[in-house]
Amino acid sequence: DAGVIQSPRHEVTEMGQEVTLRCKPISGHNSLFWYRQTMMRGLELLIYFNNNVPIDDSGMPEDRFSAKMPNASFSTLKIQPSEPRDSAVYFCASSFLQSTGANVLTFGAGSRLTVL
Amino acid sequence: AQTVTQSQPEMSVQEAETVTLSCTYDTSESNYYLFWYKQPPSRQMILVIRQEAYKQQNATENRFSVNFQKAAKSFSLKISDSQLGDTAMYFCAFKQGGSNYKLTFGKGTLLTVNP
Repeated sequence: DAGVIQSPRHEVTEMGQEVTLRCKPISGHNSLFWYRQTMMRGLELLIYFNNNVPIDDSGMPEDRFSAKMPNASFSTLKIQPSEPRDSAVYFCASSFLQSTGANVLTFGAGSRLTVL
Repeated sequence: AQTVTQSQPEMSVQEAETVTLSCTYDTSESNYYLFWYKQPPSRQMILVIRQEAYKQQNATENRFSVNFQKAAKSFSLKISDSQLGDTAMYFCAFKQGGSNYKLTFGKGTLLTVNP
């Protein structure tokens, strides 16, 4: 398996522009997570999907952020309009979530976003 | 809410020596899982080792082992025979048992292995 695939690897944009980050989870995994990593706040969970349905979006910072999962093999995280404080590394992770067990997350390589 | 604390922002070790990274956590749950993830300069988050709270035996993966002290809520990572490729940020993480999905991370420890 190729693992969790994220694109783009790097994105530099100007304030006010729309940014779309993409994620392809591991085939067969039923859960998908978007995390944001910054020096100040560390790793924060933004949103969690189970079977393509958003279960918890309480970590999404504000209405400028939205995430979708139209099918089991694709998810997007969109920021519109982007602001400099959105600059961070955004990770996608997937897992096969069961009622028991460790449910280990597999992470993608991350998308580094810089908003000028 | 669960919290994970890594009190060592940075550490360094000489190649081939042993180093221990500290992690403490706070929870009222009895069923949970603990993890150590490694983030090298490539940025990829890689699972190093995991521990089930109900297991008394400390987990081991090759050169990596943990010292799990449940009563003290401590979960340290020992790296033996350190290699240059071990240079990375190391994150301790907590997950409640059952169907709970949330993984709570510590702030990380930057480990540098010197030649």
